[in-house]
Amino acid sequence: DIVMTQSPDSLAVSLGERATINCKSSQSVLHSSKNKNYLAWYQQKPGQPPKLLIYWASTRESGVPDRFSGSGSGTDFTLTISSLRAEDVAVYYCQQYYNTPRTFGQGTKLEIK
Amino acid sequence: QVQLQQSGPGLVKPSQTLSLTCAISGDSVSSNIVAWNWIRQSPSRGLEWLGRTYYRSKWNNDYAESVKGRITINPDTSKNQFSLQLTSVTPEDTAFYYCARTDDDRGGSFHYWGQGTLLTVSP
Repeated sequence: DIVMTQSPDSLAVSLGERATINCKSSQSVLHSSKNKNYLAWYQQKPGQPPKLLIYWASTRESGVPDRFSGSGSGTDFTLTISSLRAEDVAVYYCQQYYNTPRTFGQGTKLEIK
Repeated sequence: QVQLQQSGPGLVKPSQTLSLTCAISGDSVSSNIVAWNWIRQSPSRGLEWLGRTYYRSKWNNDYAESVKGRITINPDTSKNQFSLQLTSVTPEDTAFYYCARTDDDRGGSFHYWGQGTLLTVSP
């Protein structure tokens, strides 16, 4: 199984500041012939299912604010929130879909400083 | 707009079988560009993908090794829904259970989710 490891486990950022969450996979999730990274990011708020933010490592889902961006390739990925808003308080997860079983990171809890 | 509506009991006794259903609106369980998944979430195991069913000229299933032998995911084309059965449950199966859809455009990322069902395994 591909193990997904996120860092940090928790993060406190001031409103309007940048938040950066990292995700590392135990093996590459880059499909070389398709030149795509099989990596997604989710946001989960209390009492709700996860919400898809980013897929193919950097493609923003429709309706997701452009302050959210994804980057990286191979085994190292980053989710960046360019200017934190109060409604961004949540737990964020990365997930690989390079193969089965699909696996998730352990989550990063984002709070306001 | 695709919507997934989960139903099923929230309490199951140890050694019994868990049964949950996910009703689909706005899409077809038989679509050949999507897959229908079950995922669970608990404090001890985090988010854990359990398995999927999908139609590509024939029905296919994939299951996580952690539950293989105990899990069955079945489509129901007459009701446009799919189900999860997990046999011989133990307290370690206590979790929130979600159904979710993937589609070819987004690869294996989970775009649509059910509302979640808290399942408790207790005598």
